[in-house]
Amino acid sequence: EVQLVESGGGLVQPGGSLRLSCAASGFTFSSYWMHWVRQAPGKGLLWVSRINSDGSSTIYADSVKGRFTISRDNAKNTLSLQMNSLRAEDTAVYYCARSRSGGYSDFWGQGTLVTVSS
Amino acid sequence: DIQMTQSPSSLSASVGDRVTITCRASQSISSYLNWYQQRPGKAPKLLIYTASGLQSGVPSRFSGSGSGTDFTLTISSLQPEDFATYYCQQSYTTPLTFGGGTKVEIK
Repeated sequence: EVQLVESGGGLVQPGGSLRLSCAASGFTFSSYWMHWVRQAPGKGLLWVSRINSDGSSTIYADSVKGRFTISRDNAKNTLSLQMNSLRAEDTAVYYCARSRSGGYSDFWGQGTLVTVSS
Repeated sequence: DIQMTQSPSSLSASVGDRVTITCRASQSISSYLNWYQQRPGKAPKLLIYTASGLQSGVPSRFSGSGSGTDFTLTISSLQPEDFATYYCQQSYTTPLTFGGGTKVEIK
């Protein structure tokens, strides 16, 4: 069974940092590209970042470029999102999701809540 | 960035109704259009990929159509568990973008 389990969310002050993790199981993690997608409270879905299967290629939404870094450890089946210089508008539930060749996400984690507030 | 516009933003329907949700892209995205269902407090769930592909395990009452800029999601006979918010997403190019969502409520 495919499972994606996010962790690392919490309350952080503006300007602070947080590192999210996504533990993958039930599939060959190293074969799949992965995404991070976020959802602000009561709002819609916003794509954040994508990484290819070996971690050599990454891309970001303009709103997080230069502040967030996506990475992966295929030996540990783990996807990460390092978030620096956090702003109030980064407050959201962050989901990791498995990508398929058509660019769609066929499995999603349950999400982890990040709250940026003083 | 490609803008995705969904309509309506919300609708009220009864169990057994046929429901259609539309999604329009600001430029051609070929068939790179996906549909997700999200129930309150839950993660999104893939329903339809590349415009008309039915994801494994998704009931056949869900169907998708369209290409280019105009797409539709149809629920042929609405069931109680279908009351949720539906999002379209283009995966033609990055940044991947989502529509604003359509909330399907009980009439």
